[in-house]
Amino acid sequence: DVKVTQSSRYLVKRTGEKVFLECVQDMDHENMFWYRQDPGLGLRLIYFSYDVKMKEKGDIPEGYSVSREKKERFSLILESASTNQTSMYLCASTTTMTSGRSYNEQFFGPGTRLTVL
Amino acid sequence: GESVGLHLPTLSVQEGDNSIINCAYSNSASDYFIWYKQESGKGPQFIIDIRSNMDKRQGQRVTVLLNKTVKHLSLQIAATQPGDSAVYFCAGQISGGYNKLIFGAGTRLAVHP
Repeated sequence: DVKVTQSSRYLVKRTGEKVFLECVQDMDHENMFWYRQDPGLGLRLIYFSYDVKMKEKGDIPEGYSVSREKKERFSLILESASTNQTSMYLCASTTTMTSGRSYNEQFFGPGTRLTVL
Repeated sequence: GESVGLHLPTLSVQEGDNSIINCAYSNSASDYFIWYKQESGKGPQFIIDIRSNMDKRQGQRVTVLLNKTVKHLSLQIAATQPGDSAVYFCAGQISGGYNKLIFGAGTRLAVHP
């Protein structure tokens, strides 16, 4: 089974702190994604990476950065946390290889609920 | 003041009834449309997908219908069970774009005994 794990389920930080959210996948997937999930807004893409050291901005990158030093690990960084970054953060991964399925499924981690006070 | 979409649409059904969850999309460039299910405290899980050149696809107890004319997607769940209670998201994917997904806002399905 594909497994995507996230370093914390719950995190509480203070305004101005630097926050690291870690994601690890065990399926040798090329693509990894970070989303934030807010009620009524669905999942919004923050950043994604299609290879080691490669990254692309998603729809809402402001206030965030990412790091991908190893293929299996994708980190989301909040340089200076603010209260409007209180949210559920979801990591996902997928392959670019044709798998025989009709669509390359994105596999999600369990999420990290971040509260910024 | 103006509220900003903070409330999730909810569909309440009786156990055993059929459920229909709807989704409207705006991006006609999507090659695939996908339904995800998210149970409380978990990440989204894939349910079923449909290629954009199809109208209907069936899985186990689920059917997805795609109407490209009105840009509408629906998920039908037969004989809804308490374990179906979750938030359901539709998403569109454009092939070749690193498999990025564009998600809808989600619908909460509440199944009552």
